[in-house]
Amino acid sequence: AQSVSQHNHHVILSEAASLELGCNYSYGGTVNLFWYVQYPGQHLQLLLKYFSGDPLVKGIKGFEAEFIKSKFSFNLRKPSVQWSDTAEYFCAVQGNNDMRFGAGTRLTVKP
Amino acid sequence: DAGVIQSPRHEVTEMGQEVTLRCKPISGHNSLFWYRQTMMRGLELLIYFNNNVPIDDSGMPEDRFSAKMPNASFSTLKIQPSEPRDSAVYFCASSFRQGGNYGYTFGSGTRLTVV
Repeated sequence: AQSVSQHNHHVILSEAASLELGCNYSYGGTVNLFWYVQYPGQHLQLLLKYFSGDPLVKGIKGFEAEFIKSKFSFNLRKPSVQWSDTAEYFCAVQGNNDMRFGAGTRLTVKP
Repeated sequence: DAGVIQSPRHEVTEMGQEVTLRCKPISGHNSLFWYRQTMMRGLELLIYFNNNVPIDDSGMPEDRFSAKMPNASFSTLKIQPSEPRDSAVYFCASSFRQGGNYGYTFGSGTRLTVV
């Protein structure tokens, strides 16, 4: 069965700090990988996705993620966070059919 | 495109009452998913449909939960009878499944409070 682990439950950063959120998954076959963001009180929005090809994918708002197949990881990064990045971030793995989400990482950016 | 539309946005009901949540997927999408989000359990997949047919309902917590998709443009999630532990935000998502690559679009969710 698919499973997704996000290592950090809550991350607190100051503006301009660099961000890296960890995501590891467990699945026996080919997967598609996603990061979603949920701003307070809002629904999930797609940040970026990996289907195939270049393992370094760039998303919206300066986010990027790197797929490392040997480590079953898909970590999210941003070189310099802003206060407006305060949100919850979900890693998701899609196998043959459905999509499974990690528990989420809450990011708080202090101005 | 109006996106995935869920109604109501908020629902407050008394324990024991029947609750029906509604979802209108994006036109042309052929897969629909119901998720539940709580602080304790995060995002859980409850059930999903492909071409209006339920494929996997193993995430439905109990027989009190049921979901239908009578046509390509409408789905319901019903809880009967509702209990306080059902309080959560319920998200609907849809996608166009073509080959193995497809992403989801989420609705704004229904915040359910059972008192």
